[in-house]
Amino acid sequence: AQSVTQPDIHITVSEGASLELRCNYSYGATPYLFWYVQSPGQGLQLLLKYFSGDTLVQGIKGFEAEFKRSQSSFNLRKPSVHWSDAAEYFCAVGQYSSASKIIFGSGTRLSIRP
Amino acid sequence: GAVVSQHPSWVICKSGTSVKIECRSLDFQATTMFWYRQFPKQSLMLMATSNEGSKATYEQGVEKDKFLINHASLTLSTLTVTSAHPEDSSFYICSASSPGQSNTGELFFGEGSRLTVL
Repeated sequence: AQSVTQPDIHITVSEGASLELRCNYSYGATPYLFWYVQSPGQGLQLLLKYFSGDTLVQGIKGFEAEFKRSQSSFNLRKPSVHWSDAAEYFCAVGQYSSASKIIFGSGTRLSIRP
Repeated sequence: GAVVSQHPSWVICKSGTSVKIECRSLDFQATTMFWYRQFPKQSLMLMATSNEGSKATYEQGVEKDKFLINHASLTLSTLTVTSAHPEDSSFYICSASSPGQSNTGELFFGEGSRLTVL
C-alpha cells in the first residue's frame, strides 16, 4: 500500500528566505504526486502535481517540486517566501485508478517570521 | 479548474441529532466523490468513496451506519452524521474528480464543513 511521510511537523522561516518542505512516498509503481495547501478553516488548494515527464514541476504562487525516484522524494520549494504563504502544506500520492483515491501525508505547518 | 462546493460551511448541533452535509460539483459531473475527515492540526483521513448510483465504499474503521453517504446524482453527494456525539466534531471535506482527470488522481476539494456537536 502506498504511504506518504512528511517528516517536518512545523517549520518557521523568515520572510524572503527560501523554503523546502520534505515529502517521501512509498508506492510500487510510478506515483501520481501532489502538493496541496490549506489555510486555516479552509479547503485544499492544489499547488502542483507530477504525473510523468519533467521531474521538476512548476506550480502556482511561485512553488516548485522535484520528483526524485531514487530517493522516493517529492520536496516542495520556493525561493523566497511571503507572509501569505503561512499555511498547512500536504503532500499526497494518488493511485492510478478510476476512483482517483488520494492518500495524504500528515502535513507540515509553515510559519513565517517577519 | 473544476469547482466543488460544500454546504453548510459550519454547523453546531446537539448531541443525538443528525446532521447532513452536501457536496456539489458545480461545473462538472462527478461519478465519484470522496469524503475526508480532518481533526485539528492533523491530516485528512479518507472516510469513504461515494459512487453515483451505488453504495459507498467505506475505509476500515469508519462506521457506515453512523456516516451515511448518498450519491443520488452526478453533481451531489451527501454525508449524514447520525446520532452525532461530541467526538464526531471535526472538519469534513469532500472532493471529486472531473471526467478528464479521473485517471490521473487529481481531485478538486470543497471548502470543508466544520461540525461541532455540543
